[in-house]
Amino acid sequence: DAGVIQSPRHEVTEMGQEVTLRCKPISGHDYLFWYRQTMMRGLELLIYFNNNVPIDDSGMPEDRFSAKMPNASFSTLKIQPSEPRDSAVYFCASSRPRDTQYFGPGTRLTVL
Amino acid sequence: GEDVEQSLFLSVREGDSSVINCTYTDSSSTYLYWYKQEPGAGLQLLTYIFSNMDMKQDQRLTVLLNKKDKHLSLRIADTQTGDSAIYFCAERAYGGATNKLIFGTGTLLAVQP
Repeated sequence: DAGVIQSPRHEVTEMGQEVTLRCKPISGHDYLFWYRQTMMRGLELLIYFNNNVPIDDSGMPEDRFSAKMPNASFSTLKIQPSEPRDSAVYFCASSRPRDTQYFGPGTRLTVL
Repeated sequence: GEDVEQSLFLSVREGDSSVINCTYTDSSSTYLYWYKQEPGAGLQLLTYIFSNMDMKQDQRLTVLLNKKDKHLSLRIADTQTGDSAIYFCAERAYGGATNKLIFGTGTLLAVQP
């Protein structure tokens, strides 16, 4: 099993640009989670999906952030427009029902 | 509300035992987890314990759970420099429809040679 796959691994962009982060969950996992990690705020859950449907997006910081899951094997997290305070490591994780979460390697985003 | 707390930093010498502590607030938690995050990497599941257990041992790792005090600990025996990382505890609340985990702040373990 390849595990959770995220791309890109690193992204450097300028303020105001659109950023799209991608995630491929482990095959057969019904749940997909997006997290953000910063030194100041630690690990924050942004949104999670069950069977491609968003269940809880209360952690999404503001309207500039959006997430989609068009099918069971792909999800995107989009920031438009990006700001320097969005700089963080973004993790995707997936799981089966009532099972632990498996994390991807993360995308390190730097907004200049 | 749900909250998980950990101390921020622990320093030990190579070969000593490390004990990382965690407290949680949700008494209905079913599973409690320990994750390890090495520099520049994602979180990796180390071990977990079901809420009806008091202790679980897995090679150098021992997890102790005190449900009464809502206290969880991870003991690493014979700590090695490769154990240097951030350790997160997490709880999963009862309520089977959700797989949401509540993570602690993480404890940075520094192992001195």
